[in-house]
Amino acid sequence: QVQLQESGPGLVKPAETLSLTCNVSGGSITSYYWNWIRQSPGKGLEWIGSFYYSGSSNYNPSLKSRATISPDTSKNQFSLELTSVTAADAAVYFCARGLGPPGRTTFNFWGPGILVTVSS
Amino acid sequence: SYALAQPPSVSVSPGQTATITCSGPTVGDHYASWYQQRPGQSPVVVIFHDTRRPSGIPERFSGSNSGNTATLTITGTQAMDEADYHCQAWDANTVLFGGGTRLTVL
Repeated sequence: QVQLQESGPGLVKPAETLSLTCNVSGGSITSYYWNWIRQSPGKGLEWIGSFYYSGSSNYNPSLKSRATISPDTSKNQFSLELTSVTAADAAVYFCARGLGPPGRTTFNFWGPGILVTVSS
Repeated sequence: SYALAQPPSVSVSPGQTATITCSGPTVGDHYASWYQQRPGQSPVVVIFHDTRRPSGIPERFSGSNSGNTATLTITGTQAMDEADYHCQAWDANTVLFGGGTRLTVL
């Protein structure tokens, strides 16, 4: 059974970079699509982006190139960096495994989520 | 990107049928998925590829996708089905989610 666990600082200052890590157990990140998804308090879900180990990555254009998702195969982890954060970036951040290629993907395994607050 | 349109709330009596819709200009062009999210928990997929149920999801959950609208139907709704439901589809290589629907079982 695949398990995902997010980690990172729960508090980030405005204009700084948010950095999170997703540790994957029970499966290798060299298969499937690996994603970051966030949920602002009381709101719906927002997809941030994904990567596939072949090297392809894909991001939500609404983030205006602020997001980067990177794998670390030696630790079976992948990370998210989101630059120039504002209060609008405060959310619960989930990592999730995507089953199937773009256009057909469904997210069948999720981490528990990590709450990130943006405040000075 | 944009959010798919879902009703903010749906109410149903136990044993009745709940229907939740998800609309967007390209919903019918790609597979849709539906996720159940209970308070404080991560989403769980209940329908994928428009109509398929993952193992362990009760048969009372079903889905369809036609034109610009995907639909989640819960037949014989139970109290345990009370949760938020999110639809997910695609547009131009971007994942789209709906705003979520709060299902209340009265």
